[in-house]
Amino acid sequence: DTGVSQNPRHKITKRGQNVTFRCDPISEHNRLYWYRQTLGQGPEFLTYFQNEAQLEKSRLLSDRFSAERPKGSFSTLEIQRTEQGDSAMYLCASSYSGVVETQYFGPGTRLLVL
Amino acid sequence: EDQVTQSPEALRLQEGESSSLNCSYTVSGLRGLFWYRQDPGKGPEFLFTLYSAGEEKEKERLKATLTKKESFLHITAPKPEDSATYLCAASSGGSYIPTFGRGTSLIVHP
Repeated sequence: DTGVSQNPRHKITKRGQNVTFRCDPISEHNRLYWYRQTLGQGPEFLTYFQNEAQLEKSRLLSDRFSAERPKGSFSTLEIQRTEQGDSAMYLCASSYSGVVETQYFGPGTRLLVL
Repeated sequence: EDQVTQSPEALRLQEGESSSLNCSYTVSGLRGLFWYRQDPGKGPEFLFTLYSAGEEKEKERLKATLTKKESFLHITAPKPEDSATYLCAASSGGSYIPTFGRGTSLIVHP
C-alpha cells in the first residue's frame, strides 16, 4: 500500500494559463475525490468518481474546472484560464465503497496563481 | 444543510497538559464521524472513524468519543510532536461526501 500520490506537489502559474494535476489513488479503492483547501479552512468538496464515472460535482465548481478518471485508476483535475482566486491546496482522496467510507488523502498540490 | 463546527479555533498547551477538542455536527442521519490530523503544507492524515453514539476509539495519546450531537478528541499528556491542525468531518445518510469543519490548530509547547 503506497498511499495516495499527487503530482506535482507545487505549481506556480500566471493568471490565464491552464494547469493540470494528477492523482493516483490507493490501488484497491474505487472512489476518488477532489477537494480544495485554503488557509484556515477545512477541505471543500469539488467532485468525485466511482470507478470511471463522475457521480457528483459541487454546484460551486466553476466551468473552468474539469476532472477525468479515464480508466478508473488515476485522475486528472484541469483548471482553465486560472485566476488568482484559484490559489489553494488541491487535495485528492480515495476510498473503497461501503456502508461507511473512510477517505485517505494524498499530500496535495499547492497552486499559486500570479 | 450539513454543518460541522469545531472549537476552539486554536489551542496552546504545555507539554503534558491534557485537553479536549470539540466537534459539533448537524447532519441528517450520521453515517460516520471522522478525525484527521493535518501538518502544515501536507494532506490530512486519517486518525479515527466513529459510527454511533457511545463509541470510543484510542490511538496513543488520542481518544475520540461520539455523542448524538458532538465528538471530542481528548489528548492526554501531549507532546510537542502532537502540534498540528485537527480536522473533524461528518457524512450523512444521503451522501458519501463528508462535510469538514475548519479545524483546531493545536500547539504544544515543550
